[in-house]
Amino acid sequence: GAVVSQHPSWVICKSGTSVKIECRSLDFQATTMFWYRQFPKQSLMLMATSNEGSKATYEQGVEKDKFLINHASLTLSTLTVTSAHPEDSSFYICSAETSLSYNEQFFGPGTRLTVL
Amino acid sequence: GDSVTQMEGPVTLSEEAFLTINCTYTATGYPSLFWYVQYPGEGLQLLLKATKADDKGSNKGFEATYRKETTSFHLEKGSVQVSDSAVYFCALLWASGSRLTFGEGTQLTVNP
Repeated sequence: GAVVSQHPSWVICKSGTSVKIECRSLDFQATTMFWYRQFPKQSLMLMATSNEGSKATYEQGVEKDKFLINHASLTLSTLTVTSAHPEDSSFYICSAETSLSYNEQFFGPGTRLTVL
Repeated sequence: GDSVTQMEGPVTLSEEAFLTINCTYTATGYPSLFWYVQYPGEGLQLLLKATKADDKGSNKGFEATYRKETTSFHLEKGSVQVSDSAVYFCALLWASGSRLTFGEGTQLTVNP
């Protein structure tokens, strides 16, 4: 149980295009979803926290207009990287929380984004 | 603010060696503590956790004890295997819905 999927697992795009990454909780309803970014050989950096039906809360320094987060249902959150540039290339990981599991986040497998 | 500090890596061991990865935290109060493992090209998997002082988390031969006196949560395993090669992250969490604070990660390589 408590499986989180991400799609796509990797994506290559041209500079200036937009890319959408999906995060789904497959067998539970996620009260909260989190989006992280990870650079090579570095730790995870929290980008934003989202709750179903409300606006995401972004961390300081994360551009809201560039990284659009939509949490339309209790099982799906999407991250759209708008007008992507090479510096946006990174590993994006989502996690989800359920009210049934106290203080535990379940992580997706991550999405590797490469912007040419 | 809260922070988590892990021992610097990378760590390279031979199979069946004893493993310790140090983790200390700075926080006001007593958060929940976690160890996550990340295999190459994958997301994070929860390895073990402890939610209060003196709790011991254990899983797959790994153990860590929540020590409030030393604000530490060191990860140990008595005999590592090649399959344990991965990056290990120590993290703290205050409450559901709040952010995980991660350490820098420690790369472990186990050679046959």
